[in-house]
Amino acid sequence: AQKVTQAQTEISVVEKEDVTLDCVYETRDTTYYLFWYKQPPSGELVFLIRRNSFDEQNEISGRYSWNFQKSTSSFNFTITASQVVDSAVYFCALRNPGGFKTIFGAGTRLFVKA
Amino acid sequence: NAGVTQTPKFQVLKTGQSMTLQCAQDMNHEYMSWYRQDPGMGLRLIHYSVGAGITDQGEVPNGYNVSRSTTEDFPLRLLSAAPSQTSVYFCASSYKGGEEAGYTFGSGTRLTVV
Repeated sequence: AQKVTQAQTEISVVEKEDVTLDCVYETRDTTYYLFWYKQPPSGELVFLIRRNSFDEQNEISGRYSWNFQKSTSSFNFTITASQVVDSAVYFCALRNPGGFKTIFGAGTRLFVKA
Repeated sequence: NAGVTQTPKFQVLKTGQSMTLQCAQDMNHEYMSWYRQDPGMGLRLIHYSVGAGITDQGEVPNGYNVSRSTTEDFPLRLLSAAPSQTSVYFCASSYKGGEEAGYTFGSGTRLTVV
C-alpha cells in the first residue's frame, strides 16, 4: 500500500528564518514519483516540483530546495529566508507508475510572521 | 488557456439530493482525477480517469459516480447527498506524456450538505 506522512501539522516561523517541511512515504514500487504542492490562503493548488525515484539529486529553485533520500524514504522541502508570502499549506504526494493514482499527505500549514 | 474549470464554486444541498459537479479542461490532458479535501486529512482521491471511456475508483469512491465520455469533461455525480460529503472538491488533470507530470488543479467547489 502507498502512504504519505507529513508529521508536522502546523509550523510557525518568523520571517527570514529557514524552515524544513518533512515528508515520509511508503511504497512497494521501485519506480515512483514524488511531488510537492502549495495551497495559499486563496485556496488554489499549485504544483511546485516532482522527483523520480531513480534520481536522488537534490534540487534548488531560488529559496526553495528539496532533499530526496531513498534510504530513509523521505522527500523534505526547505524554504530558506522565509517570507510572509510563503504562508500556505504544503502537500507532499506520491504517484505510482502506470496508474496515475496520486496519494497526498495530510499537509503542513506554514505560518510566516512578519 | 482556461486550464481546469470547475463549476459551481459553491453549493448547498439538502440531505438526499443529487447533483453533478462539473469539470472541464482545455489542455488535451488524458488524465483527470477528483479529490476531496477535508481538514486534517489532506486530499483524498475519489475517482480518476486515464482517458475517455476509462475510469477507476480511488480511496473514497462510495457515494460518487463518474463518467468520461470526452477527453475534456469529467463530471462527478453525488447520488444521494449526505452531510459526510460536505467538503471542498478539486478536479485535476495531467498529460499522458510522462508519469512525472504534475497536476493542474481547478479552483475547487465548496459543497455543504445540510
